[in-house]
Amino acid sequence: EIVLTQSPGTLSLSPGERATLSCRASQSVTSTHLVWYQQKPGQAPRLLIYGASNRATGIPDRFSGSGSGTDFTLTISRLEPEDFAVYYCQQYGSSPLTFGGGTKVEI
Amino acid sequence: QVQLQESGPGLVKPSETLSLTCTVSGDSISSYYWNWIRQPPGEGLEWIGYTHHSGSTNYNPSLKSRVTTSVDTSKNQFSLKLSSVTAADTAVYYCAKWAGSLEAFDIWGRGTMVTVSS
Repeated sequence: EIVLTQSPGTLSLSPGERATLSCRASQSVTSTHLVWYQQKPGQAPRLLIYGASNRATGIPDRFSGSGSGTDFTLTISRLEPEDFAVYYCQQYGSSPLTFGGGTKVEI
Repeated sequence: QVQLQESGPGLVKPSETLSLTCTVSGDSISSYYWNWIRQPPGEGLEWIGYTHHSGSTNYNPSLKSRVTTSVDTSKNQFSLKLSSVTAADTAVYYCAKWAGSLEAFDIWGRGTMVTVSS
C-alpha cells in the first residue's frame, strides 16, 4: 500500500498569503494518478487538481499543483477567505487507493 | 450534471450489518465506476471500494472481508453492505463517481453519518 504523508498538518496564514502544501508518497506515483481535494466543514470533498497539475472545472487559477515521483505540491498563490479548509492528496496508481492525512489551512 | 444521494440508517448496533444506498441522478449508472469512501469524525478519508454494473469490484484489503457492494441498474442505485460493525466503523459515508478520464472522484454525495452503538 502506498502511504501518502502530508505536511504540515496545519498551516496558519492570512488572506493574501501564499500557501504551499506537501504530499510525499512512500513509493513512486505516476503523476497521472495524483489528485488533490478541498474539504470544508460539513461538506464533501471537492476535486481541485487531477493528474498532479491539472485544475478541475471551475477551480480558480490561484490553485496549482506540481511534482513527480514521490514529492507533490499544492500551491495557493494568494489565499482568499473561502480557501481556508482541509486539503487531501490521493493516489490510485496502485491499489488500494489511498489518501493523505490532510493539511488544514487556517487563518 | 450527475448528482449522488446516500441513504440508510443513521444508527447500527454492534455486530450487525451496515447497509447504505446511493441514488444516481443525471446519468446512467452503467457509465462509470462507483465508489464508497468514509471519514470517521475528525479524521481523514478512507477508500472502501468500488463497484461497476458489469459486476467488477475492488475493495480496500483492510475491509475486504466485511464489504459487499452491488449495482441496481433498474433503480440507478448502488449499495454498500458492511458486516460485523464495531464502534470503529462510525463515520460519515460518502458515495462518489470515479471519472476515468480524470483518474479522480469528480462527483461526491453529501455524505451520511452512521453511528455504531447499542
